[in-house]
Amino acid sequence: QSVLTQPPSASGTPGQRVTISCFGSSSNIGTEGVNWYQQLPGTAAPKLLIYNNNQRPSGVPDRFSGSKSGTSASLAISGLRSEDEADYYCAAWDNNLDGILFGGGTKVTV
Amino acid sequence: EVRLVESGGGLVQPGGSLRLSCAVSGFTFSDYYIDWVRRAPGKGLEWVGRSRDKARDFSTDYAASVKGRFTVSRDYSRNSFYLQMTSLKIEDSAMYYCTRTDRNIRKDFDYWGQGTLVTVS
Repeated sequence: QSVLTQPPSASGTPGQRVTISCFGSSSNIGTEGVNWYQQLPGTAAPKLLIYNNNQRPSGVPDRFSGSKSGTSASLAISGLRSEDEADYYCAAWDNNLDGILFGGGTKVTV
Repeated sequence: EVRLVESGGGLVQPGGSLRLSCAVSGFTFSDYYIDWVRRAPGKGLEWVGRSRDKARDFSTDYAASVKGRFTVSRDYSRNSFYLQMTSLKIEDSAMYYCTRTDRNIRKDFDYWGQGTLVTVS
C-alpha cells in the first residue's frame, strides 16, 4: 500500500526538541530519497527544509535535521521556537504509483 | 533570483475547464522539472503532475486523481509552464502551486510560486 504516514500533531515548549516520523514502504522511502517541507499558517507557500533524506538547503537553520532508516524517516527540530509553529510534510517518489506521495502532514504547536 | 509566478485561477463550474500558468525566471528552463502541487481547504499537500527536464525528454507523470483530465505542458518562447484542467470536480478546488525540482541532486520542490486559487462550484 502506497501511503506515507505521519502523526497528525506534535508539540513542545520553547527550546525543546521535537521529532516527526514518516512511515512508508519499500516502494517509496525504502528506495527513494525523502524530502521535508514546512508550511506556515495562512497562505504562505510551502518551503523545502530537507532534501535527499538529510541535506539542508542553504538558509535553513541547522536546528532542522533529517534522517532515514529502512522504510521510515524522521525530521527533528531542536531548540524549538515559536516561529516553528507550522505544518510539516514528508514526501517521496513512489515506484508503484509512478508519482510523488506526501504524508498527511504534522501540525507542530509550540 | 529564481521566481515562479502562477496565474489563471478562478471560479469554474463542475465539468468546466481552466488553464493555470506558471511564469518562471532566474534559471535555465530546460534543466529542471516543474511540478504542480495543490492543497485543498482543510487538507494536506497533494502532488498533481510533473514535466521533466530536457535530458528526460520533457516526459510527464500525473497523480491518479487527475490522470486523463489534467495536462502539464511548457512553452519555451514564453518561459512558462501550464496546467490544463478539464472535467473539473468539486474536489479539485484547491490552492495550486508550481514548484521547481533539480532531480540531478534529488532536490525536489526547492522553489515555489505563491499559488493560484481554483474553486469549482
